[in-house]
Amino acid sequence: DGGITQSPKYLFRKEGQNVTLSCEQNLNHDAMYWYRQDPGQGLRLIYYSQIVNDFQKGDIAEGYSVSREKKESFPLTVTSAQKNPTAFYLCASSTRPWDSTILNTEAFFGQGTRLTVV
Amino acid sequence: AQKVTQAQTEISVVEKEDVTLDCVYETRDTTYYLFWYKQPPSGELVFLIRRNSFDEQNEISGRYSWNFQKSTSSFNFTITASQVVDSAVYFCALLITSGNTPLVFGKGTRLSVIA
Repeated sequence: DGGITQSPKYLFRKEGQNVTLSCEQNLNHDAMYWYRQDPGQGLRLIYYSQIVNDFQKGDIAEGYSVSREKKESFPLTVTSAQKNPTAFYLCASSTRPWDSTILNTEAFFGQGTRLTVV
Repeated sequence: AQKVTQAQTEISVVEKEDVTLDCVYETRDTTYYLFWYKQPPSGELVFLIRRNSFDEQNEISGRYSWNFQKSTSSFNFTITASQVVDSAVYFCALLITSGNTPLVFGKGTRLSVIA
């Protein structure tokens, strides 16, 4: 079945350590996104990528890094520079928004990774 | 710039009541998509509906209905005869089809349905 997979579901990190969250999709989507959600808060965009080898900062990119070496993968690294990394992280993918031939644009989401700094 | 506003932070209703979740969006683009997602306590986002900007026809799916009005830039979501299982956070989102922009979310509305 096609879908988007995030791993792990729960992740614990010691302060000062970098950690990488995985996001893989087999939907052949060009666009991928990382969002952060804090308790009782909405979704804030960290980074997004519309095509392989290209990505842009979102609203809260500081302390995070990404790569997009393959179409199906968009890993997020939470670096030690991120002062408050404990949160729920959601990855999403969608068809390219500017492709007007695709009538059924939809964004698919992974199940999320809950990161806790201990 | 694109923006989605969900003015209702939290709503509580008694089971079997109808409830409407508001969504107001801003964009200068004429071609765009609007979405509603449900986030149950387990955390994943569940797709509910997509509507493109050229289709203002309202839609009903079981107890769910959506009212899209371009004149007021609104895409409201109504749950009829609410049930406890409807308790979740609901997000409205906007995706424009030009340029290089991401999916934009509202801050969500937490719906609590009380038995």
